Amino acid sequence: EAGVAQSPRYKIIEKRQSVAFWCNPISGHATLYWYQQILGQGPKLLIQFQNNGVVDDSQLPKDRFSAERLKGVDSTLKIQPAKLEDSAVYLCASMLGREGGDTQYFGPGTRLTVL
Amino acid sequence: DAKTTQPTSMDCAEGRAANLPCNHSTISGNEYVYWYRQIHSQGPQYIIHGLKNNETNEMASLIITEDRKSSTLILPHATLRDTAVYYCIVNFGNEKLTFGTGTRLTIIP
Repeated sequence: EAGVAQSPRYKIIEKRQSVAFWCNPISGHATLYWYQQILGQGPKLLIQFQNNGVVDDSQLPKDRFSAERLKGVDSTLKIQPAKLEDSAVYLCASMLGREGGDTQYFGPGTRLTVL
Repeated sequence: DAKTTQPTSMDCAEGRAANLPCNHSTISGNEYVYWYRQIHSQGPQYIIHGLKNNETNEMASLIITEDRKSSTLILPHATLRDTAVYYCIVNFGNEKLTFGTGTRLTIIP
């Protein structure tokens, strides 16, 4: 079974530029998460989707970050404009459903460097 | 905030069992104990999870105390590839994961 796919793996941009990340979850997984992991810290949730609907975006900086999950499969996360403090690894995870005891599986992440 | 407490770091000799403790004294009845690990520059990798009973899979064993206030992850025969940060997370299993600082496990040749 293929895992969670993310691209690109690495991205370097200058501040005030825009950037987009792509995630393809495990086939059939209804729930999708985007996490941000700053160097030296654990991942922190940015947004959670259930199919193509947003379940939790309370920690998403909506003035610059946006995310969508069209057709309930692939998802994109966009930052516009980027700030220096957005330098981090952006992780996508997916889960089969919303049952108790379910498991999230993570992709390899996209490492963003903002100069 | 994370609901778990883990040692900051641990060492283990290659080939020996690595026992990683985790305290979760405020765990509620329907919350599971999950373990993930993160090897440098990779996404977190799921290891194992349990509710009340001890669990074992091809990667590890999870021992949960009877009062469920603590647990231990056991890697039975540690190899150098097990060097990673290990996260113990308490979760209902259908919500976001809240990561603490984890335990940095170093396997010594």
